[in-house]
Amino acid sequence: QKEVEQDPGPLSVPEGAIVSLNCTYSNSAFQYFMWYRQYSRKGPELLMYTYSSGNKEDGRFTAQVDKSSKYISLFIRDSQPSDSATYLCAMGEGIGGYALNFGKGTSLLVTP
Amino acid sequence: EADIYQTPRYLVIGTGKKITLECSQTMGHDKMYWYQQDPGMELHLIHYSYGVNSTEKGDLSSESTVSRIRTEHFPLTLESARPSHTSQYLCASSETGLAGGPTDTQYFGPGTRLTVL
Repeated sequence: QKEVEQDPGPLSVPEGAIVSLNCTYSNSAFQYFMWYRQYSRKGPELLMYTYSSGNKEDGRFTAQVDKSSKYISLFIRDSQPSDSATYLCAMGEGIGGYALNFGKGTSLLVTP
Repeated sequence: EADIYQTPRYLVIGTGKKITLECSQTMGHDKMYWYQQDPGMELHLIHYSYGVNSTEKGDLSSESTVSRIRTEHFPLTLESARPSHTSQYLCASSETGLAGGPTDTQYFGPGTRLTVL
């Protein structure tokens, strides 16, 4: 079983829709959770960073972590065509850990 | 915005050639990483470095080697390229404790897409 599971999609939504992206994980030691956005032929860029359980909001983006269910989500409100990209979740154990564990990424297409 | 650079962005090369992929960052980050990314697959860590003169192999076995002689520079070398090395190579860097947590928040370069014929 992979430590991080993420549905690769593709996910296609109309402009203005609310998008929900999710990852599940199996390692209960993960404490730090990140979402990266990767445009075609570019490197991933950090979008959201969350520690432990709870919500974090940044503009149109909201990250949620439910450690009891080992489930994290990224919500995008009022989605725009410029949000079309692959979204990767990543997570790490924290102290002393060097490696991030990545999901495969979900491909999102927002159509005008 | 992260300042991390990779060259070349694209490279097509024949089997058996020696190649070096360059990675530089201007942020003074102590930690640097190389990942391999294939379409539809997870990023796999192949090398990392905690600082100058420190290099370690990652989770994914790789025939490449790395060096860290300067803080800002972390080149990756393939002594003899093979078609199985065809992939996207991503370099990243991080500073311990960034964003208020002990886990490093990694910032990525644009990647080098390598094709070995």
